[in-house]
Amino acid sequence: DVKVTQSSRYLVKRTGEKVFLECVQDMDHENMFWYRQDPGLGLRLIYFSYDVKMKEKGDIPEGYSVSREKKERFSLILESASTNQTSMYLCASRRTALHFGDGTRLSIL
Amino acid sequence: QKEVEQDPGPLSVPEGAIVSLNCTYSNSAFQYFMWYRQYSRKGPELLMYTYSSGNKEDGRFTAQVDKSSKYISLFIRDSQPSDSATYLCAMTLYNQGGKLIFGQGTELSVKP
Repeated sequence: DVKVTQSSRYLVKRTGEKVFLECVQDMDHENMFWYRQDPGLGLRLIYFSYDVKMKEKGDIPEGYSVSREKKERFSLILESASTNQTSMYLCASRRTALHFGDGTRLSIL
Repeated sequence: QKEVEQDPGPLSVPEGAIVSLNCTYSNSAFQYFMWYRQYSRKGPELLMYTYSSGNKEDGRFTAQVDKSSKYISLFIRDSQPSDSATYLCAMTLYNQGGKLIFGQGTELSVKP
């Protein structure tokens, strides 16, 4: 079974902080994704990556960056956290079907 | 117009009912279709992955694809309270790689 592991289930940070969300997958997938999920807005793609050191902007990349130094690890970075970035963040990886982690519920105070 | 439309519900049914969840899409190039189930405070879990038009069955779940009408469905037979969750449809152009386009999700409640 594919396993996508997100480092934190719940996280509370303050505005202006630099926040790192980590994700690891164990199936040697080349494609990895970061989404945020908000009530009424559904899943929105922030960034994705086709390979190591490769990244592509999704639909809402503003205020975020990513890092993919190793194939199995994809990190999402909030450069200067703001309250409107309070959300559920979901990491996923894919060869054919997309497989999700359990999410990180991030609160920015 | 959104690329994928899904009725957000909520949908409430009695235990044992047959449930039909539906998505329509506008891009006829979509080739691969998925259904996900998401319990509260968890990540989406893959239920079904289909390619061709027609039906695919897995236990109580049947996924149906009609490419000519650009319409996909998920049927749940003998629904159980444990089926209460949000169901998301998703589709993509490519079997491997590329991003998926998701519906908004339908919230389902199965009452005992």
